[in-house]
Amino acid sequence: QKEVEQNSGPLSVPEGAIASLNCTYSDRGSQSFFWYRQYSGKSPELIMFIYSNGDKEDGRFTAQLNKASQYVSLLIRDSQPSDSATYLCAVNYGNQFYFGTGTSLTVIP
Amino acid sequence: GAVVSQHPSWVICKSGTSVKIECRSLDFQATTMFWYRQFPKQSLMLMATSNEGSKATYEQGVEKDKFLINHASLTLSTLTVTSAHPEDSSFYICSANRQRTPNEQFFGPGTRLTVL
Repeated sequence: QKEVEQNSGPLSVPEGAIASLNCTYSDRGSQSFFWYRQYSGKSPELIMFIYSNGDKEDGRFTAQLNKASQYVSLLIRDSQPSDSATYLCAVNYGNQFYFGTGTSLTVIP
Repeated sequence: GAVVSQHPSWVICKSGTSVKIECRSLDFQATTMFWYRQFPKQSLMLMATSNEGSKATYEQGVEKDKFLINHASLTLSTLTVTSAHPEDSSFYICSANRQRTPNEQFFGPGTRLTVL
């Protein structure tokens, strides 16, 4: 059984701060890692993904992978109220995606 | 590019009826399509994986006779909830990946099903 775990939160940060979200995964064979943002009642939208060979930065978002400890993190710099959503971590293994339960983030103006 | 649509976006039906949900990849051919279900305040739960022209692979605990999946073409997959009951009320989301970026999934907007 391949498991992906996230702290459900809620995580609250003030506007302008850095939000840090973490996700652990059980299968060392996982090949790629994804962060999705989901607003209430909406479908997930991809923020960014990384492969097992390194970290990635895209604007205010940075995804980091720690293969030894089997966790992947998402940092959101200069958090904005519009970043308030549930963030889903997904791990790809073969042709399958396994999702975490999501972390609810609230950015306080 | 990589747009996935679903139809309908919202459906209410009586208990015992069947409901069909369509998932289409609009601007690409989908190698594989996935069907998820999401209950309130819970994460996505993969129901089944389907490839064009072959039988869907269902996750453990998902009744294949209740949730019929047909993947007739590289751009269309359908999920039919047969004899729906109130406990089937949920948010159903499909996703698809494409050949040139097989590690990315593109999600449809979801279909909210309410069974009375």
